[in-house]
Amino acid sequence: SQKIEQNSEALNIQEGKTATLTCNYTNYSPAYLQWYRQDPGRGPVFLLLIRENEKEKRKERLKVTFDTTLKQSLFHITASQPADSATYLCALKGGSGGYNKLIFGAGTRLAVHP
Amino acid sequence: SAVISQKPSRDICQRGTSLTIQCQVDSQVTMMFWYRQQPGQSLTLIATANQGSEATYESGFVIDKFPISRPNLTFSTLTVSNMSPEDSSIYLCSGQGEIASTDTQYFGPGTRLTVL
Repeated sequence: SQKIEQNSEALNIQEGKTATLTCNYTNYSPAYLQWYRQDPGRGPVFLLLIRENEKEKRKERLKVTFDTTLKQSLFHITASQPADSATYLCALKGGSGGYNKLIFGAGTRLAVHP
Repeated sequence: SAVISQKPSRDICQRGTSLTIQCQVDSQVTMMFWYRQQPGQSLTLIATANQGSEATYESGFVIDKFPISRPNLTFSTLTVSNMSPEDSSIYLCSGQGEIASTDTQYFGPGTRLTVL
């Protein structure tokens, strides 16, 4: 069955460092992948979308890579700030999973310490 | 980007009762979805709300328990029927496919439901 894996352990980093979060998937060939931020008690907020034919996407301090051979996406936050502390969700859509279904990973909690 | 609002933001309900959650999008969207999120867990898709026709439910979810309406391109409701404590969760509405972008999916703030 389709599976999306994100590191369940919280990632703790110092302010100013680069945070790197990993999303691995199996038994799936998504058309594109999205990253969301979720704060406690709030709905997910869309951050970036990357398509299967794109290797990398950037938006301000955020960078996403997508390796369809490794079936992996990396999400980077450079010059991290305490305000970046949140849970980050990886979500896949399209391809073998059904074009309009967005399937989520469990998320990784990021804590940026001053 | 689309702005999605939900009502109520939270509720505490008695076992056996029903609650209807409303979702309003500030622009027309092609697709609307309903998700459930248990505490500390990821989002699970309940169903796709189809305008003018019956919703498409995911495995494990049925219309009798979670009836959904979508009368137009900006509004949908989800009813949680005959509630039990196992239905306590956050319910999230999502919209996708506004005019400018067909791929990005946006979420409402969620409705936190507690069933006693």
